[in-house]
Amino acid sequence: DTEVTQTPKHLVMGMTNKKSLKCEQHMGHRAMYWYKQKAKKPPELMFVYSYEKLSINESVPSRFSPECPNSSLLNLHLHALQPEDSALYLCASSLPQGNSPLHFGNGTRLTVT
Amino acid sequence: LAKTTQPISMDSYEGQEVNITCSHNNIATNDYITWYQQFPSQGPRFIIQGYKTKVTNEVASLFIPADRKSSTLSLPRVSLSDTAVYYCLVGPFTGGGNKLTFGTGTQLKVEL
Repeated sequence: DTEVTQTPKHLVMGMTNKKSLKCEQHMGHRAMYWYKQKAKKPPELMFVYSYEKLSINESVPSRFSPECPNSSLLNLHLHALQPEDSALYLCASSLPQGNSPLHFGNGTRLTVT
Repeated sequence: LAKTTQPISMDSYEGQEVNITCSHNNIATNDYITWYQQFPSQGPRFIIQGYKTKVTNEVASLFIPADRKSSTLSLPRVSLSDTAVYYCLVGPFTGGGNKLTFGTGTQLKVEL
């Protein structure tokens, strides 16, 4: 079990669907992250929120839309995805101060058909 | 941002000590070195972090030479359950919300 909870664990969606991935933590962390991981590859940073504000966007296509409604929640809204977007989507959080390690959830396995 | 280089894979046997080295030649003054472990279909898990010299916790040791251009993760007496991918990350000590980039990682396989 991890302290970062991601739902759903698995998601299958068509290219015309709209879906959302959810991430929740109650550790008081004020930095939250989205990573994308393809099979046998390292996680790739997508977005970083710091104190509920988007601080880093790694040139992610607009079909991925992050949202941080409060300090405990992080969402990733998905729309018009492509099959190549199929991957494991990982959420992480960390304390606001420097060198704080990331705490990861176990991810959402997304398949786009 | 410092780029990291690790061996792609390593093999070991139960009970052996495993040392995984990471090169980070352009590490910045305010960068910390952090190691994560990842099992299939799980998120990475924090192992250890350091800035210089040696750090030890209950699961591993981290050795960092004076020039900080490399680091070595040492796993004492590995078991089958240590079979995983190990990532070395180098990132700035400038507050939360850092741009932490994973390198290619090292696949460790432990056999009987």
